[in-house]
Amino acid sequence: SAVISQKPSRDICQRGTSLTIQCQVDSQVTMMFWYRQQPGQSLTLIATANQGSEATYESGFVIDKFPISRPNLTFSTLTVSNMSPEDSSIYLCSARQGYEQYFGPGTRLTVT
Amino acid sequence: DQQVKQNSPSLSVQEGRISILNCDYTNSMFDYFLWYKKYPAEGPTFLISISSIKDKNEDGRFTVFLNKSAKHLSLHIVPSQPGDSAVYFCAAIPGGGADGLTFGKGTHLIIQP
Repeated sequence: SAVISQKPSRDICQRGTSLTIQCQVDSQVTMMFWYRQQPGQSLTLIATANQGSEATYESGFVIDKFPISRPNLTFSTLTVSNMSPEDSSIYLCSARQGYEQYFGPGTRLTVT
Repeated sequence: DQQVKQNSPSLSVQEGRISILNCDYTNSMFDYFLWYKKYPAEGPTFLISISSIKDKNEDGRFTVFLNKSAKHLSLHIVPSQPGDSAVYFCAAIPGGGADGLTFGKGTHLIIQP
């Protein structure tokens, strides 16, 4: 199994600012993803982080709001830009090995 | 349109008994199914998975059953233990494995002493 770490674990940010979340996997993986879990909701896929190319975004998510980088097979970042209170959520990094998929501990973001 | 459905928001089971969590799906392109357990303030932990070519997979106290014709799967936990109290998510991947997981809304399992 893959072990995934995220930084920061939590943050409180002001409206209009941006936050970059880092995700590190302990082994090379083919696929990395970013998810969001809003309060009381299930996990929603934001985008697939593609190594060396632009991320693939799900419907309702755009690159200008959630720019993603993946410079290599073990690391990715997600930026939440121009934040509003509606962006308050848990953001989760995920990595897939074969068909099994593992998650980081999440970043709890509160926007005031 | 919710493609993966967990219709029971919560389930209460006595310690030592069997816990059965259910999941239905609508997308016939789903090829692989996974169950996750999530504690508050933690990321989901992978529990067990099953391919659509199988109807059962077992790992210790956890067994997943898949009824492809009914588009239904279930997770059995025997015997249930207090540490099993958590939210359980069912998730699915379409064939090819190039897409992200689609999750259900989760079932909060409460194990009573």
